[in-house]
Amino acid sequence: DTGVSQDPRHKITKRGQNVTFRCDPISEHNRLYWYRQTLGQGPEFLTYFQNEAQLEKSRLLSDRFSAERPKGSFSTLEIQRTEQGDSAMYLCAWTSGRRETQYFGPGTRLLVL
Amino acid sequence: DQQVKQNSPSLSVQEGRISILNCDYTNSMFDYFLWYKKYPAEGPTFLISISSIKDKNEDGRFTVFLNKSAKHLSLHIVPSQPGDSAVYFCAVDNYGQNFVFGPGTRLSVLP
Repeated sequence: DTGVSQDPRHKITKRGQNVTFRCDPISEHNRLYWYRQTLGQGPEFLTYFQNEAQLEKSRLLSDRFSAERPKGSFSTLEIQRTEQGDSAMYLCAWTSGRRETQYFGPGTRLLVL
Repeated sequence: DQQVKQNSPSLSVQEGRISILNCDYTNSMFDYFLWYKKYPAEGPTFLISISSIKDKNEDGRFTVFLNKSAKHLSLHIVPSQPGDSAVYFCAVDNYGQNFVFGPGTRLSVLP
């Protein structure tokens, strides 16, 4: 148990549709991260929150992507007008602070047809 | 430009022998390093970490070595077990903002 769950675990959608993923930390961890992992690559950083504030966004996070963390608890990642290149595993991670180990959830695997 | 490199995409080792996974990084300012293991359809699982003030950290069968001058770290697994078969990612702490991961090495431990 890594202290975070993600929903759904799998999502298949058609190109052009919107999708939303949810990440639920078991407790209100300080920092929450989103990463994306494609085949043959390591996880790539997308964005992170400290409590409810979104502090950093990667250039990978195009205008079609938006993330929220209302009230500093769970977080959502929405992708609008999905493209086939969005197919990947989307991972959520938490940590208690700077320079601390990050613990990952099980991920949401997205397939865009 | 990859900041973290794992030049061996795959590695096969006999059960009971030592597995050595290697990782190179480009930025000498990085000061916290981690190894993660990942099984298919699961998120990465933290294995072991090391800060730049050390050159070795050990946890059971897993030992991480850091060579700061060479900007190189390695993970040793002794003895290797079939359950260790997974993809191993090296990661560096990017100035406390996020982690930068290598592309991974797929380890196969043969019975």
